[in-house]
Amino acid sequence: EAQVTQNPRYLITVTGKKLTVTCSQNMNHEYMSWYRQDPGLGLRQIYYSMNVEVTDKGDVPEGYKVSRKEKRNFPLILESPSPNQTSLYFCASSRTINEKLFFGSGTQLSVL
Amino acid sequence: EDQVTQSPEALRLQEGESSSLNCSYTVSGLRGLFWYRQDPGKGPEFLFTLYSAGEEKEKERLKATLTKKESFLHITAPKPEDSATYLCAVPGPSGTYKYIFGTGTRLKVLA
Repeated sequence: EAQVTQNPRYLITVTGKKLTVTCSQNMNHEYMSWYRQDPGLGLRQIYYSMNVEVTDKGDVPEGYKVSRKEKRNFPLILESPSPNQTSLYFCASSRTINEKLFFGSGTQLSVL
Repeated sequence: EDQVTQSPEALRLQEGESSSLNCSYTVSGLRGLFWYRQDPGKGPEFLFTLYSAGEEKEKERLKATLTKKESFLHITAPKPEDSATYLCAVPGPSGTYKYIFGTGTRLKVLA
């Protein structure tokens, strides 16, 4: 089954404790991206990747890092989380840019 | 500035009461407009892609249309299971590699 898998589904952490949210897709997609979704603000892009070792900032990259060492994986790293990073996070992939996105089921992050 | 605006923010319909959701966009060189459905606590799911003015796509009770400045998602005789948030998105300008999302329309269909 074609899917984007995110883990964990829920995460509660404290300020400053490094964390990683994993994302994996099984469709051999070139394009992957991370979004955060906040009430009233919609989906905002954090980072994207056009292919292995090719990543770039989206609209809200501050406080986040990503890597794309393999085509299927695109982890999101918060080196020193802060409360304003409390949000619902989605990973998404598509075959190329300008094609439909497949989304993961989301990670609800709370930073205390 | 490139942006996508959806209206209304929220919509309550009685079962069987048809209506339309609007998505207006300002982006140069449209390279597709995408509609997604999002259920609470879940990731958005793809519904339609439209590429050129005049194009229409249908799926069950949903029909999406596109003009040069906006898209409509028409819902005919909705059922409670159509309750969800509907999002539209467009790719950013050529040379960028991002999608611009609207904030969505929260649809509630009452039995």
